[in-house]
Amino acid sequence: QLQLQESGPRLVKPLETLSLICSVSGGSISTTGYYWGWIRQPPGKGLEWIGNIYYSGSTYYNPSLKSRVTISEDPSKNEFYLRLNSVTAADTAVYFCARFRSGDLDAFDIWGQGTMVTVSS
Amino acid sequence: AIQMTQTPSSVSASVGDRLTITCRASQDIRSNVGWYQQKPGKAPKLLIYAASTLQSGVPSRFSGGGSGTDFTLTIDSLQPEDFATYYCLQDYNYPFTFGPGTKVDV
Repeated sequence: QLQLQESGPRLVKPLETLSLICSVSGGSISTTGYYWGWIRQPPGKGLEWIGNIYYSGSTYYNPSLKSRVTISEDPSKNEFYLRLNSVTAADTAVYFCARFRSGDLDAFDIWGQGTMVTVSS
Repeated sequence: AIQMTQTPSSVSASVGDRLTITCRASQDIRSNVGWYQQKPGKAPKLLIYAASTLQSGVPSRFSGGGSGTDFTLTIDSLQPEDFATYYCLQDYNYPFTFGPGTKVDV
């Protein structure tokens, strides 16, 4: 059964870079028809889509974050990554990675448990 | 970007109630809407995709409808485990956008 697990620093200083890893087990990130995404949720607030990556390397970002965000992948490790530059307190959130299946079945069907990242000095 | 609105933002309900949540898109998104349930401290869970298709393993008391700009999530006979926050998501085009959520409590 496919599982996703986020990992990375829980505390990041303002203006530094937030870096997270999503480790995928039970399936390959190189499988056609699936994208891999990041979604975040500030404390007590709603969900915000950050971006998706396809195994080919194509990426799609939220314009509100586009200048600061990079999503990449390493198929050899079956991992994908999130980097968010120049963070502020507004970037404090739970960060989820998730699988997005495309085509007629479009949906984020499998999610990681999420990891809380706090931006603070 | 496509804006998604949800009504109500919160609702108090009882076990056994029938509940409908509405999501409206700022433009035609065909049937490209999913519904997600989130409980405190947990990741969202997919309930409905393509506006009306029940995800495998989700109880049949959940149903979705609509197309174009107006969509609904209906829960027939609310169960104790259904008290949660529900989000719609448009995946018609990028950037994907979530609705602000509907909190269902007792």
